[in-house]
Amino acid sequence: EPEVTQTPSHQVTQMGQEVILRCVPISNHLYFYWYRQILGQKVEFLVSFYNNEISEKSEIFDDQFSVERPDGSNFTLKIRSTKLEDSAMYFCASRVDRDTEAFFGQGTRLTVV
Amino acid sequence: KNEVEQSPQNLTAQEGEFITINCSYSVGISALHWLQQHPGGGIVSLFMLSSGKKKHGRLIATINIQEKHSSLHITASHPRDSAVYICAVYKGAQKLVFGQGTRLTINP
Repeated sequence: EPEVTQTPSHQVTQMGQEVILRCVPISNHLYFYWYRQILGQKVEFLVSFYNNEISEKSEIFDDQFSVERPDGSNFTLKIRSTKLEDSAMYFCASRVDRDTEAFFGQGTRLTVV
Repeated sequence: KNEVEQSPQNLTAQEGEFITINCSYSVGISALHWLQQHPGGGIVSLFMLSSGKKKHGRLIATINIQEKHSSLHITASHPRDSAVYICAVYKGAQKLVFGQGTRLTINP
């Protein structure tokens, strides 16, 4: 069964460093998303991406964050200068269109020290 | 106030029991997701629905758009059903808004 793949599964980084979280969405999907879940809290929307541009973003998604689809398969989330409060599980999701269900990756646990 | 509220927050039951988890939302939505999150953290989509009822194996999901309420039922519950169940709604076309989750524990 096709699945959304995220790498790495766990990343530890020093405060102030840049990190790139990678996702390979399901191949025929056109809508891509990043969500995050701080430990013990609910999942929060970060950004949606369609047709090579951001279609919606949350207040969390400030100038420190960026997304890119550098080729036909990868979808990346970059955090330019990580802060302690960026420590969370980051989930990538994709779906075929706006009327179908989203499929989630297994998540990347980011720890900023 | 949370836009998506789930109840109960925690639920413990014996194997074989019929389980109901409720979700109420306060915003206009285009669709609703029921998701399952296991201790390792990964999220699995169980259902997406915008009206009526869907069934998959022992899982049944219903939604009442007028009352802004959805329920997830598990029949003949099993210890492997133990997980966090999350209700999430599409607010607008793209943005999923999540509930806090219901932690379900099924004892053998």
